[in-house]
Amino acid sequence: QKEVEQNSGPLSVPEGAIASLNCTYSDRGSQSFFWYRQYSGKSPELIMSIYSNGDKEDGRFTAQLNKASQYVSLLIRDSQPSDSATYLCAVWRGSTLGRLYFGRGTQLTVWP
Amino acid sequence: GAGVSQSPSNKVTEKGKDVELRCDPISGHTALYWYRQSLGQGLEFLIYFQGNSAPDKSGLPSDRFSAERTGGSVSTLTIQRTQQEDSAVYLCASSLELQRALSYNEQFFGPGTRLTVL
Repeated sequence: QKEVEQNSGPLSVPEGAIASLNCTYSDRGSQSFFWYRQYSGKSPELIMSIYSNGDKEDGRFTAQLNKASQYVSLLIRDSQPSDSATYLCAVWRGSTLGRLYFGRGTQLTVWP
Repeated sequence: GAGVSQSPSNKVTEKGKDVELRCDPISGHTALYWYRQSLGQGLEFLIYFQGNSAPDKSGLPSDRFSAERTGGSVSTLTIQRTQQEDSAVYLCASSLELQRALSYNEQFFGPGTRLTVL
């Protein structure tokens, strides 16, 4: 079982729609969860962090965490063509070893 | 600058040559990480530094790979006798010290070094 799994893409949504990206993780003791956006040819950019169960909103982005189900999601409201990118889910287990575990990413395309 | 910087941005080398990749973390970030990303692949962890020590080297793929960090700042990743399978984008990230971090290990990436081994 992979440490972090993301729903297979690619995901294609029209401009203005809600894009929903999902992620599950295997280590029940994981403490911190992150969403990175990666444009083609660029490095990952941190867009959301979430640490406790529930929702966290930042502008058009909402991260949702359910530790009981070991599930993290990212909702992008009012999707824009500029949101077209690969979205990476990452998990920190919370140990003193700081590495993040990354999913393979979900490619999102927002068409006008 | 305010972000993580890496150099060179691109490196083309011949099989068998040694290469050095450099990372300069965000000022004040004591934790530093190296990852690599091959074409169409996910991020692969290589090594983690806390200060100048490396408590986790478990991701280094072979003994041809080594890394050091001096002065708690700049880090160098060295690949000896490069092979074609080493071709990838090498990414460096930094974060605040884990024990005191209120930010729960938010890692910020540099622009990466694209390594091509011919």
